[in-house]
Amino acid sequence: GENVEQHPSTLSVQEGDSAVIKCTYSDSASNYFPWYKQELGKRPQLIIDIRSNVGEKKDQRIAVTLNKTAKHFSLHITETQPEDSAVYFCADSDSWGKFQFGAGTQVVVTP
Amino acid sequence: GAGVSQSPSNKVTEKGKDVELRCDPISGHTALYWYRQRLGQGLEFLIYFQGNSAPDKSGLPSDRFSAERTGESVSTLTIQRTQQEDSAVYLCASSLAWQGSDEQFFGPGTRLTVL
Repeated sequence: GENVEQHPSTLSVQEGDSAVIKCTYSDSASNYFPWYKQELGKRPQLIIDIRSNVGEKKDQRIAVTLNKTAKHFSLHITETQPEDSAVYFCADSDSWGKFQFGAGTQVVVTP
Repeated sequence: GAGVSQSPSNKVTEKGKDVELRCDPISGHTALYWYRQRLGQGLEFLIYFQGNSAPDKSGLPSDRFSAERTGESVSTLTIQRTQQEDSAVYLCASSLAWQGSDEQFFGPGTRLTVL
């Protein structure tokens, strides 16, 4: 992938509300779009991913949507809980294996 | 099974010294990645390996940085003549396939501090 832009940089939500993070990419060869969650002082961990032949994927409270025409993809977290507080990174990758990560979104869920 | 491991976990060095960071990927993982993460910032892609070949080294910040990998196993990232701006957490990740469409498993990182 090439550049990946991620917005917003910080996101504060009330517990129970939804959170949405958006990313745009520029490399039309990108075909894999993972999302990682990084808690303070810990390593990033994959929470959900989507491949270019799929438009949407859902796993319990987390969903990702992909619009290849517009070159953007989004992470949706519903019914947010305090343990969802973390930094979330989007990324893209092409078939050659090079990954580019977004700058991250600090999500704070307040009780 | 064992995850990705990195050593040392912390390294404090003086400006101008060389450092070597080690990454042990998950056994059988073909692809290996190195990232740099400065405090409060995102993941900066440095280099990746398909087997022991590095197709793209353009992410390395300068010629003071180099990396190698032995077969499909251990990788070392070497920083020569360290500078204060090299201070960061260096993360290694591995994935099963080299096609770039598999989950990356991250190691705990090496926190490098250059005084």
